[in-house]
Amino acid sequence: QVQLQESGPGLVKPSQTLSLTCIVSGGSITSGGHYWTWIRQHPGKGLEWIGYIYYSGSTYYNPSLKSRVSISIDTSKNHFSLNLNSVTAADTAVYYCARNVFTLDAFDVWGQGTMVTVSS
Amino acid sequence: EIVLTQSPGTLSLSPGERATLSCRASQSVSRSYLAWYQQKPGQAPRFLIYGASSRATGIPDRFSGSGSGTDFTLTISRLEPEDFAVYYCQQYGSSPLTFGGGTKVEIK
Repeated sequence: QVQLQESGPGLVKPSQTLSLTCIVSGGSITSGGHYWTWIRQHPGKGLEWIGYIYYSGSTYYNPSLKSRVSISIDTSKNHFSLNLNSVTAADTAVYYCARNVFTLDAFDVWGQGTMVTVSS
Repeated sequence: EIVLTQSPGTLSLSPGERATLSCRASQSVSRSYLAWYQQKPGQAPRFLIYGASSRATGIPDRFSGSGSGTDFTLTISRLEPEDFAVYYCQQYGSSPLTFGGGTKVEIK
């Protein structure tokens, strides 16, 4: 079955860009019917949707982050990526990639999550 | 933005008891695009319910969802030891997609 795995630096300096990649295995990222998603969870807090991308490249972002976020997809490598620029300590969180199913409008597969700390 | 308010914040129950978790939306959630997830410490959320009342594949039938409009409920009919966790509701009736703040179900 489809599995997701996040990768990227665990520490980012303030004002720099946070970059993470989600590798999709066990299925094709171009199979259709899914949005490939980034979600974050601040320490001890709830979940926040960052945005998602379709394999065609169409993107949808949370308005609260839209000015700083970019999600891209590489179908040849079967992965998608998150860039969040101008980070501050408030961006310290566990970042998850997840698969959203069109017909369910819910996230049926999740990566294990990766902790990113913003600190100098 | 639709705000989802979950209550109670913490539910203290014993194994075998019934758990009733509430998720209230600030506006009507169209077409019941309401989902529920379970999260244990150090783990990613696990998908439980979609469309307010449909169980995801492999989810035991002790989990059930109900509701429409602005009021939704997740019920666990008889708590098993592995059910003690935090539960989140999520909507995508309108953009942006939002999650509730969570209800922790703890062992009494």
